[in-house]
Amino acid sequence: QKEVEQNSGPLSVPEGAIASLNCTYSDRVSQSFFWYRQYSGKSPELIMSIYSNGDKEDGRFTAQLNKASQYVSLLIRDSQPSDSATYLCAVNLGGNNRKLIWGLGTSLAVNP
Amino acid sequence: EAGVAQSPRYKIIEKRQSVAFWCNPISGHATLYWYQQILGQGPKLLIQFQNNGVVDDSQLPKDRFSAERLKGVDSTLKIQPAKLEDSAVYLCASSRGDTQYFGPGTRLTVL
Repeated sequence: QKEVEQNSGPLSVPEGAIASLNCTYSDRVSQSFFWYRQYSGKSPELIMSIYSNGDKEDGRFTAQLNKASQYVSLLIRDSQPSDSATYLCAVNLGGNNRKLIWGLGTSLAVNP
Repeated sequence: EAGVAQSPRYKIIEKRQSVAFWCNPISGHATLYWYQQILGQGPKLLIQFQNNGVVDDSQLPKDRFSAERLKGVDSTLKIQPAKLEDSAVYLCASSRGDTQYFGPGTRLTVL
């Protein structure tokens, strides 16, 4: 059973702090990794994708991938109340079918 | 570029009734996905189409759910008859490469 695991939270951080969200996956052949943000009552919205080991930065967001340890993380710098949402980690197993395996999501609350 | 369109946005039905959802993917996206998302959980893939062929429907409850993607563009997902446990948000997504883009979803309530 291929799995993606995330702490459900809630993760609570003060405004302006760094929020760190973690995700581990079970399948070593996984090729691509995604972080989606989902506000309550809305659909998932892509924040970051990462394919290679190391860090990828986009504005206040940094995705970190370590394939040897099978984890991917998302750092949110200078957290804002508008970042309060559920963050979903998704892992693509590779191959032709492009199927994503989803975590259950981590709920983040940024307190003013 | 227009995003993924879905309708209706909300639907309330009684158990044992039937319901259908419609999805129009992003133009040029060959792959279309239907997901079911229950509150507090991640999306669960129901069916994946590549053009008008089914790639994966292993988690589709085929005794009551059906889906089609005629002409490789629009898709419909049908539930007949609905059960209480089908209450969820039904998400449609499309992709050209690895990245999936979601529509706004349809919130189904079965009473």
